Amino acid sequence: NAGVTQTPKFQVLKTGQSMTLQCAQDMNHEYMSWYRQDPGMGLRLIHYSVGAGITDQGEVPNGYNVSRSTTEDFPLRLLSAAPSQTSVYFCASRRTVTNTGELFFGEGSRLTVL
Amino acid sequence: GDSVTQMEGPVTLSEEAFLTINCTYTATGYPSLFWYVQYPGEGLQLLLKATKADDKGSNKGFEATYRKETTSFHLEKGSVQVSDSAVYFCALSDQSYQKVTFGTGTKLQVIP
Repeated sequence: NAGVTQTPKFQVLKTGQSMTLQCAQDMNHEYMSWYRQDPGMGLRLIHYSVGAGITDQGEVPNGYNVSRSTTEDFPLRLLSAAPSQTSVYFCASRRTVTNTGELFFGEGSRLTVL
Repeated sequence: GDSVTQMEGPVTLSEEAFLTINCTYTATGYPSLFWYVQYPGEGLQLLLKATKADDKGSNKGFEATYRKETTSFHLEKGSVQVSDSAVYFCALSDQSYQKVTFGTGTKLQVIP
């Protein structure tokens, strides 16, 4: 059981470049989300989705786009990378849209923007 | 909005010492509360949870009790091991079911 798979694990970009972080889960989870982890800031929610075709903004959405065309996939797009987007990004999913279930996390994607 | 406040780290303990990591929260309604653990180079994984007031979550010798009157969910373990060295995150899931808010994390280092 693969769980939540993120690719790539590492990426270096130049300012202004665009890229997509991929996230896939094989657990048929309704809920998927993206977080960024920065030193001293903990995890901050970027975007989330409660089902295919439905997305919404989290705490820090600026500079990022998402879409949810299938239950399994939830890619995160950086439109024009900035050094402030240097971070570790985590995708997480949850079985149902309730507040009692645990989040399952991917292993993270470390992004450096020069 | 919702928020979670954790004690600052890092925390350094000797093996077999008692551990407490404080966590308090601000939220409307009745959130669910969680502790997640992150080992080096890995994603977060659930350690324990409590979904209503006075519930006690427990796992691997760790415990935390949901205290609504003090809005707290402190993590405790009676005797830590070197293998417990990790970063611990307190989190709450709001009543809208849509957002999970994390604290800043507390790094624990256990020395032999």
